[in-house]
Amino acid sequence: AQSVTQLGSHVSVSEGALVLLRCNYSSSVPPYLFWYVQYPNQGLQLLLKYTSAATLVKGINGFEAEFKKSETSFHLTKPSAHMSDAAEYFCAVPYNNDMRFGAGTRLTVKP
Amino acid sequence: DTGVSQNPRHKITKRGQNVTFRCDPISEHNRLYWYRQTLGQGPEFLTYFQNEAQLEKSRLLSDRFSAERPKGSFSTLEIQRTEQGDSAMYLCASSLMRDQETQYFGPGTRLLVL
Repeated sequence: AQSVTQLGSHVSVSEGALVLLRCNYSSSVPPYLFWYVQYPNQGLQLLLKYTSAATLVKGINGFEAEFKKSETSFHLTKPSAHMSDAAEYFCAVPYNNDMRFGAGTRLTVKP
Repeated sequence: DTGVSQNPRHKITKRGQNVTFRCDPISEHNRLYWYRQTLGQGPEFLTYFQNEAQLEKSRLLSDRFSAERPKGSFSTLEIQRTEQGDSAMYLCASSLMRDQETQYFGPGTRLLVL
């Protein structure tokens, strides 16, 4: 069964620093991969989507993710963190008719 | 705003009571999904509809849970005889048939069972 694993339940960075949130997928190459962001007491907002058309995917709010088949990874990055980026981030992969989510990574941004 | 909406946003109930949540998907989306999210976890799939037909149910959806989508528009999720373990965020999502992999989520309903 297709699944994703997020390494690191908590990541803390200083404002202006690089953000790197890790996600690895299991088994076969998935045709789609997603990153979602969840702000406190909110639903999930789609950040970006990988569709195999391009390995580097740009999303909203300055985030991007790179699909690396050799590493079975789809890590999320942002060159410079902003205080407003503090949230929970979820990597997800479609499986059958639903979406399988990682456990999430909570990003804290220090001033 | 034409996003997915959910009501109520918060619900506090006593154990044993019944609760019902509503989800209004994006208007042209014919697929609608329900997920449950507990603290510190990612969302877990409960069920989904294609138009008015409920096509799949997770093993998480016990017989105390029922979902409907009459006329293929809004959906309701009812939990009967609530238990403290039902306390969670209930998320609704919708998608287009031609882009079913991309799901758009509502703000969720947070349920607390006392």
